[in-house]
Amino acid sequence: SSELTQDPAVSVALGQTVRITCQGDSLRNNYVSWYQLKPGQAPVLVIFGKDNRPSGIPERFSGSRSGNTASLSITGAQAEDEAEYYCSSRDSSDNSVIFGGGTKLTVL
Amino acid sequence: QVQLVQSGAEVKKPGSSVKVSCKASGGTFSSYAFSWVRQAPGQGLEWMGGIIPVFGTTNYGQKFQGRVTIAADKSTSTAYMELSSLRSEDTALYYCAKDVSQLLLTNAFDIWGQGTMVTVSP
Repeated sequence: SSELTQDPAVSVALGQTVRITCQGDSLRNNYVSWYQLKPGQAPVLVIFGKDNRPSGIPERFSGSRSGNTASLSITGAQAEDEAEYYCSSRDSSDNSVIFGGGTKLTVL
Repeated sequence: QVQLVQSGAEVKKPGSSVKVSCKASGGTFSSYAFSWVRQAPGQGLEWMGGIIPVFGTTNYGQKFQGRVTIAADKSTSTAYMELSSLRSEDTALYYCAKDVSQLLLTNAFDIWGQGTMVTVSP
């Protein structure tokens, strides 16, 4: 089965732009979804499909994909963006859903 | 807006089974897919499987094949996840989640339940 690889931790200065990446072969043919996970809370979908934001997700969140790498960008990071971020994709080989290992984002 | 309310925390013995429910309210239940995702302590998210209630079709993660059963009761708008042959590694927070798409099982889950803690201990 396929795997998705994320950097374990990333930091960004308050108000600056940060990019969180996700690599995997499944991303060549499948859309990625990104989830924000804060302690004690259920995951929140922030990006899905080509580059769609669910209702209520700030415009500073955006997504992109090139080859086998997908990226989540936060333009003008806020303190409340400090969280773990997980990427997710379909695995076409068995029609399952896979998650990356997560990236802990620290806003300095 | 759909809301998902899950059943309460469970403590189980190794080798036993657990069944977690997820009741949907405020929307059309049958036409959306529902998935189950778990997070073990200190670990990442892990997809277990999903169901499209209107078709009754299910899809399971390879790791859980043969041990997990996902079902849905359209009359009560409730999805269920049963995990058998429990071991300590199954101690985790279990979530149900609604798909953004109708009639399709994707990897985009826009509504999540509050989570159900399952503890497996002798």
